[in-house]
Order: sequence, then C-alpha cells, then structure tokens
Amino acid sequence: DIVMTQTPLSLSVTPGQPASISCKSSQSLLQSDGRTYFYWYLQKAGQSPQLLIYEVSSRFSGVPDRFSGSGSGTDFTLRISRVEAEDVGVYYCMQGTHIPLTFGPGTRVDIK
Amino acid sequence: QVQLQESGPGLVKPSETLSLTCAVSGYSISSGYYWGWIRQPPGKGLEWIGYIYHSGTTYYNPSLMSRVTISVDTSKNQFSLRLTSVTAADTAVYYCARLPPDYWGRGTLVTVSS
Repeated sequence: DIVMTQTPLSLSVTPGQPASISCKSSQSLLQSDGRTYFYWYLQKAGQSPQLLIYEVSSRFSGVPDRFSGSGSGTDFTLRISRVEAEDVGVYYCMQGTHIPLTFGPGTRVDIK
Repeated sequence: QVQLQESGPGLVKPSETLSLTCAVSGYSISSGYYWGWIRQPPGKGLEWIGYIYHSGTTYYNPSLMSRVTISVDTSKNQFSLRLTSVTAADTAVYYCARLPPDYWGRGTLVTVSS
C-alpha cells in the first residue's frame, strides 16, 4: 500500500496568518494517463470530510481561494493564505492513483 | 446537488454480518462515477473499504477483501456494503461517497458488541 505521511501532525495558527501542510507519498502519484490523483480534505468536528483540492491544485466548488495546493510526484503541499476560525479541523491528504486508495494520518489545525 | 445517505443497524454482534445501504439523490448512479465506502474508527483516521461502478465492477481494500462485498442497485439508485465476521475492530463511522470522493454521506456509527 502507498503510505502517505503528513507534517506537521498538529498546527496552531493565529487568525489572518498563513499555514501550510506537507504530504509525502511512498511512491509517485503520477498516473500513466498523465494525471496525478491527489486530494486534500478537511474534516470539521462531527462532520464528514469535505473535499478542498482535487488533482493536486484544483479547488473544489465553493472552496475559498485562500486554499491552494501544489506539488508533484511524491511531494505535495496545502497552503492557507490567511487562516480563519472556520478552517479549524483535521486536514487529510489522499491518493487515488494506486489501489488501495490511502489517506494520510491527518493534521489537526486549531486557532491560537 | 448530489446527496448520499447511509442506513443500517447501529449495533452488530461479533461474528455477524454488517450491512449498510447508501441511497443517492441528485445524481443517477447509472450516469457514471465510482461509488464507495470509507470507515473511520472513533478518534482515528480514514480507511478505504472499496468501491463499485454502475456496471458492477468492484475494487476492494486487500486488507478487507475476504470479508467485503459491495453491490449496486441502479433501479433504486443505491449501493450496499456487506462486511462479514465482524469484530470490535470493525467499530467505526461508515461513510458512503462518490469518488474521487467529492460528495460524502453524513456517516453512520456501527458498533460491534454483544
């Protein structure tokens, strides 16, 4: 199975400040079709995960533009340009290139 | 708007079979996409169980493959999960979702206990 590693595992951020989360995969996520099936999710307390970013850098419908994704191959980053109180929760990365699909362990983000 | 709703027993006895159904609205399963199940033990991370295409093609997590069956009923626009021989380790919130996944159900807690 592809192992997804996230750093840091927890993050405390001052509102209005930027934040970034790194995710590394144990193998390249570049598929033979030229696409990279890598995603970022946010799970708020008591809710199901919500898709933020798909295929590395595309924002899902309704996701604020303060969220951005980048990376390639095995190294990926989620950036929040200015953290807001509603961004609190656990962020997961996920790869969909290899079977079985696998998630990272999650990064807990809270507000200082 | 695509909506998914899980249903099924919230309590299952050890060694018995867990059965859940996911009803989909706002999108026809027959129109495409894969449809899957993911679970999350209390306080822990997310684990893929498997997914299915409307044609019936399935992919299962190898760690669960011997115990899992996912099926689809396009006439009812729903798909189902069966997990046999459950133990306490199968206690989790079970989510259904449309792949990649983009739309998720709210999740249902299934507890395995006698």
